[in-house]
This record gives sequence, structure tokens and C-alpha cells, in this order.
Amino acid sequence: DAKTTQPPSMDCAEGRAANLPCNHSTISGNEYVYWYRQIHSQGPQYIIHGLKNNETNEMASLIITEDRKSSTLILPHATLRDTAVYYCIVRPRIPNSNSGYALNFGKGTSLLVTP
Amino acid sequence: NAGVTQTPKFRILKIGQSMTLQCTQDMNHNYMYWYRQDPGMGLKLIYYSVGAGITDKGEVPNGYNVSRSTTEDFPLRLELAAPSQTSVYFCASKSRGREGNQPQHFGDGTRLSIL
Repeated sequence: DAKTTQPPSMDCAEGRAANLPCNHSTISGNEYVYWYRQIHSQGPQYIIHGLKNNETNEMASLIITEDRKSSTLILPHATLRDTAVYYCIVRPRIPNSNSGYALNFGKGTSLLVTP
Repeated sequence: NAGVTQTPKFRILKIGQSMTLQCTQDMNHNYMYWYRQDPGMGLKLIYYSVGAGITDKGEVPNGYNVSRSTTEDFPLRLELAAPSQTSVYFCASKSRGREGNQPQHFGDGTRLSIL
């Protein structure tokens, strides 16, 4: 699976957009980009995923560069409840090893939303 | 729907004791997973199952066993607890879906300390 690189921490003012970057320069054409977040002491929560096109749902937007080597998760109006660790994960459409579509979590980005 | 339910939420074990971490899901998902998360780190896959009666090892299976006798339940067994198994354990499930791109749903975790 492609490796991802994220900044270890970021700050964002409440009400502003939070833009979380992820580098996945070795991504291949059949790999999805997933974003999960983990609020302190809770299980990870799915946010959004995409393959080539930009995606938007009720939680966030995902912008994937044309060469697919990086992506940005956008929380349009961050609230204090968005303070969490955000994980960018790349996963093949069809797993090429015995992983059953399991996710490879790195250390993620710790986002702190301040009042 | 309750989603993914894990019990117990907390447990303290003595070295050498055994216990079973319970995980059940009510979403009729085929895939189920066990991850562990050490402090400040991402999640690591212990075992997974692609359906009732089928299990396979993940990245860190040593010291653990699993079974999958029903679609709903996926218990994780520690036979001889060791201090290195002190961690937070998360169970997750997902549906099969097309291309496997359905998100994983996580439980709230079991916090296990071995002294």
C-alpha cells in the first residue's frame, strides 16, 4: 500500500476552514484515499473517501490533486468538536495481500480547534 | 442499530491471566477486524475475518486468537496476558459492497492494562 505523510499537528480557529494536507506520492491508479478521525478515547470515525474526483459530504470535502500525489481534507467551518486526530489512509481497490480491506493507520494529524 | 459493540470497556489483568474481548455488530457485515492502539500511535491490525468460519492473521497476531462462529460476533482471546499487550483494542466491521470501498465502522474500544 502507498505510504502517506501528514503533519503531526495543526491549529485552526473555530468557525474557520480547516485544511488538512496529506502526501501520497507513491499512490497507484487503483488506490483509494480515505480519511478517518479519532476523537479522544473513541473509536475512529469515517469521514470521506475518493479515488480521482473531488468528493463532498455532510462532514467534509476531499480535494485530490490531478496527479493524485496529494490530497486535502477540508472541514469548512471547524467547531471545537472537530478537535481530533485525522488519519489519511491509502488502500487498494482490490487488496493485493491477505488484509481483507483492512486499513493501515499512521500517526495522523492532531487538529486543535481553538475558540 | 447499535452498530459495533465492545465489552468490557475497561479491564485490568494480571500477567498470565486469560480473557476474551467481546465484539458484536448488528449491521450484517461480512468483514470484521481487531486492531490495537498503543499510546501515541496509529492502529495495528491483529486479526480479521471475511465471513463466518473464516479468520486470518493481520500484522500483530502473536499472543491472540479469534473465532467467527456467527456473522455478528468476533471475540478476541488473550491466553497468557503479557505487559506488552497493554493497549486499547478496537473492533470494526464493514459490508462487502462493490470494490470493497464501504467504510469500516468502529466500536468504542476496550482499554486493557496488564500488571
